[in-house]
Amino acid sequence: RKEVEQDPGPFNVPEGATVAFNCTYSNSASQSFFWYRQDCRKEPKLLMSVYSSGNEDGRFTAQLNRASQYISLLIRDSKLSDSATYLCVVRNSGYSTLTFGKGTMLLVSP
Amino acid sequence: GAVVSQHPSRVICKSGTSVKIECRSLDFQATTMFWYRQFPKQSLMLMATSNEGSKATYEQGVEKDKFLINHASLTLSTLTVTSAHPEDSSFYICSAPISGRATDEQFFGPGTRLTVL
Repeated sequence: RKEVEQDPGPFNVPEGATVAFNCTYSNSASQSFFWYRQDCRKEPKLLMSVYSSGNEDGRFTAQLNRASQYISLLIRDSKLSDSATYLCVVRNSGYSTLTFGKGTMLLVSP
Repeated sequence: GAVVSQHPSRVICKSGTSVKIECRSLDFQATTMFWYRQFPKQSLMLMATSNEGSKATYEQGVEKDKFLINHASLTLSTLTVTSAHPEDSSFYICSAPISGRATDEQFFGPGTRLTVL
């Protein structure tokens, strides 16, 4: 089983739609969780950290379910500029390395 | 936010040549830097952890003699792809957490796209 699994998509949605991405991780000892955004041929950029209580940043909501080892990202009122690949990222302990999922591609159309 | 630069942004070279990629933290010190590789439609894969003043730690399956890492200062790490071959063509990205801060965020460089002919 891969360490971090995501549906590669693409998810094709119209502007204004709500879309949700899911991610599962295999290491139950994982401690930190993130969503990164990567535009085509660019470096990843941190979108948001994911906390156990769930957290929201504007149109973006992240949830963590430790029991099911599952992370989600919800995007409301999609914008054209949201088109990108969304990477689920896990850190296992302390200052250790990050493990990236392959990413889920989102395409928002007019 | 913190800035990490990479140079060059793009390089095309002939098979058998060596290519050096630089990763710099511009406004912070980084005792640790990470080197990743990303093939098309694949996830970022960690290649090695670069440690200032000591040897790099390589991930399983990454040849340390082929991918030479030098972290000579608190703001610079270099990755040299020796005797590059077409299968080494990839997007190489470095990242760095701000040293001494209990922060979760790593700052990524803009990446270097390597094409080996």
